[in-house]
Amino acid sequence: GESVGLHLPTLSVQEGDNSIINCAYSNSASDYFIWYKQESGKGPQFIIDIRSNMDKRQGQRVTVLLNKTVKHLSLQIAATQPGDSAVYFCAETKGQGKLIFGQGTELSVKP
Amino acid sequence: DTGVSQDPRHKITKRGQNVTFRCDPISEHNRLYWYRQTLGQGPEFLTYFQNEAQLEKSRLLSDRFSAERPKGSFSTLEIQRTEQGDSAMYLCASSGSGTSVATDTQYFGPGTRLTVL
Repeated sequence: GESVGLHLPTLSVQEGDNSIINCAYSNSASDYFIWYKQESGKGPQFIIDIRSNMDKRQGQRVTVLLNKTVKHLSLQIAATQPGDSAVYFCAETKGQGKLIFGQGTELSVKP
Repeated sequence: DTGVSQDPRHKITKRGQNVTFRCDPISEHNRLYWYRQTLGQGPEFLTYFQNEAQLEKSRLLSDRFSAERPKGSFSTLEIQRTEQGDSAMYLCASSGSGTSVATDTQYFGPGTRLTVL
């Protein structure tokens, strides 16, 4: 079936550098996309979201880019900090129902 | 605490036993979702409610699984005759209903870690 996938299972960056986490989705009917951060033993924490009628959305130190032409979603984290170390999931949904998650990218921040 | 809460946080049971988990959503949210997450994987959708109505159930939700939300507030997820393959993190999320991004966002609880021996 259709699913959201991530390109890389792990990403290691130096503290202070920018991080880019990528995601490919296959359901062109999806209209809402979300990035979650999950620390070990905890539930997913909402980071930022974007609707399909937008290309870019910015939050505090985070930016989400949506390219509907190639069905690609990315999360940019500026000035990555040790506290950003976690697994990051993208998720998609159509309407207001279930989320479809990818497998996640584990971000490690080196001090 | 205004977030989603789940109880218990951890449950260890023997194969064949029944278990029940509880989820308390954010108070003003009328949608409640259950997901299951196994190690190294993203959460997988199980079912969701709008108020007390169960609107969708995944094929993952076998007849051993049942979820309820009798008064449109908290929800319970019961697993009967547990199997070792049921070992996972069970996550609950809630959201408002509406057309804006803010009300669609699903906020997750800390999860219940189930281990079936």
